[in-house]
Amino acid sequence: DIQMTQSPSSLSASVGDGVTITCRASQTITNYLNWYQQKPGKAPKLLIYATSNLQSGVPSRFSGSGSGSDFTLTVSSLQPEDFATYYCQQSYSDPYTFGQGTKLEIK
Amino acid sequence: QLQLQESGPGMVKPSETLSLTCTVSGGSISSTNHYWGWIRQPPGKGLEWIGHIYYSGSTYHNPSLKSRVTISVDTSKNQFSLKMSSVTAADTAVYYCVPYYYDSSGYYYFDYWGQGTLVTVSS
Repeated sequence: DIQMTQSPSSLSASVGDGVTITCRASQTITNYLNWYQQKPGKAPKLLIYATSNLQSGVPSRFSGSGSGSDFTLTVSSLQPEDFATYYCQQSYSDPYTFGQGTKLEIK
Repeated sequence: QLQLQESGPGMVKPSETLSLTCTVSGGSISSTNHYWGWIRQPPGKGLEWIGHIYYSGSTYHNPSLKSRVTISVDTSKNQFSLKMSSVTAADTAVYYCVPYYYDSSGYYYFDYWGQGTLVTVSS
């Protein structure tokens, strides 16, 4: 199985800050990497697919990059609604695995 | 836009079989661009892919669960189902039904998630 490791596990930031979350795969996954946002009590929501493609309706302050085994999710100028938990997920091979999550909290 | 709704018992006894159904609306389960999957999330923990099925009946399962999991599809009802046998407390989780979309560039992603249903395994 491909292991997905996110860092940091938690992060405190203020409205208006920019933040970056890292996701590392245990082997190359080329660019088969997706990002999801989950708010408490809600289902995850697709943010970015195939490393850098913004899902329809997702604000442009979200961006993704990377290739091979190292990927990042960047949120520029945090808004109050961005405080949530973020998960990366590889779709390179089954079993399709997720990172453990990064909880983004308000400082 | 696709909408998915899980249904089934919220509580299952240990050693019994968990059964959930997902009803798809806003699109056809016979879509050639979708697989229909299940993902679970134990309380306070991360996400685990259980498996998914194509409308033709081809299935893909997480090897860690494969021997206990059956996923089936009913195209006439636009539904797909999950059965998980011999459950234990470790199977307590929110279960989501999720379409796994296959786009024209060959990428896969979970695009529209159901609201999820909590299944508690307890006697």
